[in-house]
Amino acid sequence: DQQVKQNSPSLSVQEGRISILNCDYTNSMFDYFLWYKKYPAEGPTFLISISSIKDKNEDGRFTVFLNKSAKHLSLHIVPSQPGDSAVYFCAAGRISSGSARQLTFGSGTQLTVLP
Amino acid sequence: EAGVAQSPRYKIIEKRQSVAFWCNPISGHATLYWYQQILGQGPKLLIQFQNNGVVDDSQLPKDRFSAERLKGVDSTLKIQPAKLEDSAVYLCASSPSGGDTQYFGPGTRLTVL
Repeated sequence: DQQVKQNSPSLSVQEGRISILNCDYTNSMFDYFLWYKKYPAEGPTFLISISSIKDKNEDGRFTVFLNKSAKHLSLHIVPSQPGDSAVYFCAAGRISSGSARQLTFGSGTQLTVLP
Repeated sequence: EAGVAQSPRYKIIEKRQSVAFWCNPISGHATLYWYQQILGQGPKLLIQFQNNGVVDDSQLPKDRFSAERLKGVDSTLKIQPAKLEDSAVYLCASSPSGGDTQYFGPGTRLTVL
């Protein structure tokens, strides 16, 4: 049962254009969402997050949008740069026990930014 | 600030052998996680510690996997005996107590032949 889905395994965009990565979730208990970026042979690196009480969070070139009614979030990268080429994982968080949080990850989207 | 450290970075073993992975979390982080990431998939949680106590190990195959976090700092994940399907990257992550964001180490790539 995949609770977090990234339906596009890959995405290619031209340098300078917008990259839009999508993620859908099914569990209404998720209250916090994150995007991680992963380069080959490295661990995932935290990129940006959003709480379920917001619908948008922006950090430089990166913006995350959350549509709770549709259980959908997206990551926008503007403008895209070749260094953004990586695998992007969407993760959804909820409280598991006491104050401890757990994350459920999507399967990732390989972004390639073409020079 | 030093990140999450893991060793070894790569390990190749024969099936039925045993293997152990080590993790040192970010200083002061009370919560430590072990994930398994199979090629083409996202990380899957195996076990979660809060200080030196287990919070959740429901996804840990306990017949062959074990983990401990003595003194609430470093952690070791062991597989005994290994199977072919255990080939994956094993990721360690940590977060401050009650923190929303997890910080990952570089992972250990395990190949079981």
